[in-house]
Amino acid sequence: EVQLVESGGVVVQPGGSLRLSCAASGFTFDDYTMHWVRQAPGKGLEWVSLISWDGGSTYYADSVKGRFTISRDNSKNSLYLQMNSLRTEDTALYYCAKNAIAVAVYWYFDLWGRGTLVTVSS
Amino acid sequence: EIVLTQSPGTLSLSPGERATLSCRASQSVSSSYLAWYQQKPGQAPRLLIYGASSRATGIPDRFSGSGSGTDFTLTISRLEPEDFAVYYCQQYGSSPRWTFGQGTKVEIK
Repeated sequence: EVQLVESGGVVVQPGGSLRLSCAASGFTFDDYTMHWVRQAPGKGLEWVSLISWDGGSTYYADSVKGRFTISRDNSKNSLYLQMNSLRTEDTALYYCAKNAIAVAVYWYFDLWGRGTLVTVSS
Repeated sequence: EIVLTQSPGTLSLSPGERATLSCRASQSVSSSYLAWYQQKPGQAPRLLIYGASSRATGIPDRFSGSGSGTDFTLTISRLEPEDFAVYYCQQYGSSPRWTFGQGTKVEIK
């Protein structure tokens, strides 16, 4: 089955760190750029970060640049998001999403996971 | 960064009616790189339309997309009960800056 499953979301204090994971299955993971997208409670969607299929290119939203690091392990079909210096405004449901086109970067997303909830609160 | 503005914020309609959702961009969206997603409560977004007018795999033909430049439309020809959800537009393709509209909620009248 083609799917993405996120994990790692917890309650963390402001200034803390957290690592999210996304396990992919059912497709050739190392052919596709992957993304993290977040949704604050009751709000819309915000793109967070991407990593190219080979890990050679990464990009970040200005709101997380310098604090978050995206990575992947193609041998484990897994995507990660290391989140440091967390702020209350980082509270959100974090989705991983798959690029629709293989070996390309700037495309829409054709597969999403169900998300993992990160709550930043003292 | 391209800002997408969706209207209306909420659309109250009855099953069987036609829904017309608008997405306006702050600058021209190159090559009509505009997608639409549907999100139901507690679920991940689902791709409906890409390239402004191409339906994704498995999407019923009652969903259609149109537009170019800065003005785009998602039309649901006859609303089914399962179509009541929030719809987001997204621009892609021009730079590593993906942006979404704020969403339009289609609710049962």
